[in-house]
Amino acid sequence: DAGVIQSPRHEVTEMGQEVTLRCKPISGHNSLFWYRQTMMRGLELLIYFNNNVPIDDSGMPEDRFSAKMPNASFSTLKIQPSEPRDSAVYFCASSRGGAGFYEQYFGPGTRLTVT
Amino acid sequence: DQQVKQNSPSLSVQEGRISILNCDYTNSMFDYFLWYKKYPAEGPTFLISISSIKDKNEDGRFTVFLNKSAKHLSLHIVPSQPGDSAVYFCAASPGNQFYFGTGTSLTVIP
Repeated sequence: DAGVIQSPRHEVTEMGQEVTLRCKPISGHNSLFWYRQTMMRGLELLIYFNNNVPIDDSGMPEDRFSAKMPNASFSTLKIQPSEPRDSAVYFCASSRGGAGFYEQYFGPGTRLTVT
Repeated sequence: DQQVKQNSPSLSVQEGRISILNCDYTNSMFDYFLWYKKYPAEGPTFLISISSIKDKNEDGRFTVFLNKSAKHLSLHIVPSQPGDSAVYFCAASPGNQFYFGTGTSLTVIP
């Protein structure tokens, strides 16, 4: 069975440009998470969806960030406009149940560089 | 403010010896804890978990210990192998989401 799929794996863009990260969760999982990894703060939860509905977006840094999950097999994280401080690795993860009870399966991540 | 802290950014251990990775947390409501392992250019993968009703959980070479009074979690790897070289994240949950530490990079020297 395929794991969590993320695309692109690497993204280099200029400040001010729009960036869209994509995620396909594991089939049958009903929770999806977007994380950002930085050296200073480790893995930070940005937003999580349960049954395609956003449950907690308190981790989204500011209005420049938005996330959607139009169906059970696809989610996007958009940054518009991007800034150099957004440079990080963004992970998508999915789990078969509630946010704090089941282990999460992570995708390979998207390394974003904003110049 | 970090609710889950891994104060050692890195650790080096000789092959065959024990590796001990530590994690401290501040929220007394945390009742479920996990360890993840991450190789370069890959996402974290689940390693082992423990709930607050236990103080130890063992899976092969990996054992997690929980000291609730000290709000401290540790992962023991015995014996350590070169393939264990990776970044290890601890995570804790009060039931609604997981909070992750900043990770400890383990190097097992052959």
